[in-house]
Amino acid sequence: GENVEQHPSTLSVQEGDSAVIKCTYSDSASNYFPWYKQELGKRPQLIIDIRSNVGEKKDQRIAVTLNKTAKHFSLHITETQPEDSAVYFCAASISSTGNQFYFGTGTSLTVIP
Amino acid sequence: DSGVTQTPKHLITATGQRVTLRCSPRSGDLSVYWYQQSLDQGLQFLIQYYNGEERAKGNILERFSAQQFPDLHSELNLSSLELGDSALYFCASSLHKGTFPAVLHFGNGTRLTVT
Repeated sequence: GENVEQHPSTLSVQEGDSAVIKCTYSDSASNYFPWYKQELGKRPQLIIDIRSNVGEKKDQRIAVTLNKTAKHFSLHITETQPEDSAVYFCAASISSTGNQFYFGTGTSLTVIP
Repeated sequence: DSGVTQTPKHLITATGQRVTLRCSPRSGDLSVYWYQQSLDQGLQFLIQYYNGEERAKGNILERFSAQQFPDLHSELNLSSLELGDSALYFCASSLHKGTFPAVLHFGNGTRLTVT
């Protein structure tokens, strides 16, 4: 089955700096890659996603890039703010197999004011 | 609000007991997923249902079972509870009706504490 690896597990940045979280996947059939943000004690919330036919997608300070050849995708957060502090999960999904979602192990991001 | 409703929000029970967690998916969503999240851990996939039928199974213990009813709500039954079962249990739903992508939406979770 699909295996998603996520790095780093923890990340601390100064407010205003950029943060990058990287994920790799194993199954070339994966075609949808969402990113979720989870604040302490709350539900994971979708913040951005990308389909396999797109190389990059941006939404204000957040961007995701996908390299299908290398089977990796990354989340980029620019001009980080304290409210960006949370745990971020990447995931890979294969729509042809019943939409199973395979999650990474999460990255705890701390933005230092 | 994601549209996925989970009840109860909190549950405190003793070891050896049995509990039922309930989930109502977003209107129109046919797939329901259950995840377990222990303290400071990731999202452990338990089981997925699609339109009433089991679609995929993850690391679900034999003491746990689930089902999806004709009205598409789902229940997760946890029995012979152990201290290690204490966790946040999330339900999520997606459309999965030939649409792509089938976006996954999470409920607010049920926090289970076993004492």
